[in-house]
Amino acid sequence: DVKVTQSSRYLVKRTGEKVFLECVQDMDHENMFWYRQDPGLGLRLIYFSYDVKMKEKGDIPEGYSVSREKKERFSLILESASTNQTSMYLCASSSGTSDEQYFGPGTRLTVT
Amino acid sequence: GQSLEQPSEVTAVEGAIVQINCTYQTSGFYGLSWYQQHDGGAPTFLSYNALDGLEETGRFSSFLSRSDSYGYLLLQELQMKDSASYFCAVEDGATNKLIFGTGTLLAVQP
Repeated sequence: DVKVTQSSRYLVKRTGEKVFLECVQDMDHENMFWYRQDPGLGLRLIYFSYDVKMKEKGDIPEGYSVSREKKERFSLILESASTNQTSMYLCASSSGTSDEQYFGPGTRLTVT
Repeated sequence: GQSLEQPSEVTAVEGAIVQINCTYQTSGFYGLSWYQQHDGGAPTFLSYNALDGLEETGRFSSFLSRSDSYGYLLLQELQMKDSASYFCAVEDGATNKLIFGTGTLLAVQP
């Protein structure tokens, strides 16, 4: 069974703090993704990565950065958290030959 | 630009059949996927259509018409546990990333 884990289910941070969200997958998947999910807006892609040390901007990368130093780990960084970054953050992974993405349980981030 | 449209909410009764439609507009297209998400849970993959036609997996079927930029998810013999949000997603041919619709909340009533 593919397992995608995220470091926290719930997180509360203050405006201006640097926030790290970690994602680990155990299936040796090449591709990893970070989404945010907001009511009425569906899932929006923030960043994705096809390989170690590679990253590509998604549809809403502003205010975020990512790091992929190891194949199994993909980190999302909020350099200076703002209240409009309050959201559910979902990590996903997929193999290079499959169309199916496997999602982690999500991190609900609240920025106050 | 890229966009997907699906109904925001659908209500049906147990045992019935429901169809959730999805129309899309993308610059490149590889295939149409469907994901299910229960409240508080992670999205889980249901199906993928790259070619025109109907794909059946148990009670769930998914259809694609590339010429119409249209697809649907068909759920038969509805059960209470099918109450969830359903997202269609298109695979962008240029980048291999998924573009998700805004989701359809299905409420199954007894």
